[in-house]
Amino acid sequence: EPEVTQTPSHQVTQMGQEVILRCVPISNHLYFYWYRQILGQKVEFLVSFYNNEISEKSEIFDDQFSVERPDGSNFTLKIRSTKLEDSAMYFCASRNGDTQYFGPGTRLTVL
Amino acid sequence: AQSVTQLDSHVSVSEGTPVLLRCNYSSSYSPSLFWYVQHPNKGLQLLLKYTSAATLVKGINGFEAEFKKSETSFHLTKPSAHMSDAAEYFCVVSVTTASKLTFGTGTRLQVTL
Repeated sequence: EPEVTQTPSHQVTQMGQEVILRCVPISNHLYFYWYRQILGQKVEFLVSFYNNEISEKSEIFDDQFSVERPDGSNFTLKIRSTKLEDSAMYFCASRNGDTQYFGPGTRLTVL
Repeated sequence: AQSVTQLDSHVSVSEGTPVLLRCNYSSSYSPSLFWYVQHPNKGLQLLLKYTSAATLVKGINGFEAEFKKSETSFHLTKPSAHMSDAAEYFCVVSVTTASKLTFGTGTRLQVTL
């Protein structure tokens, strides 16, 4: 069964550094999403992406964040200058019909 | 605006006994509702979904949920718990099937022998 994959599974970075989280959505899906879950808190929506552009974003998704589909298979989330409060589990999802399918997540730790 | 409230942060049941995980929703529109499960170190897996068809929805692994508009509830049930059901369960709402998902805070299900 096709799955959404994410790399790396864990990322540790220093405050102020740039990070890129990578996702490979299910191949025939057209809608892509990023969510995050800060430890002990709810899963929160960050951004949705369709047809090579952002279709919706939350107030969390400020100028420090960007998304890109650099080729036909990858979907990336970049954080330009990480802050301590960016430490969280980041989930990628892709959608077919009415169901979003999630990847296993990338745990980002900012020191 | 839309939101979900999961009434229990932690539920503990004995193996073989029924499971009830409670969820209430708030939505300005007729919502789509989902239950997702997260096993340790795994992604979020869809258990079942309600998208304005039948109000009693059956999902994987013997779970089901009933959409009750009058009570704004979407409780998850299973007649008999299994050890493998131990996980975190999330009730989720969206305004349309195409829009972002709004998650509840999660309920951790513990299953004991």
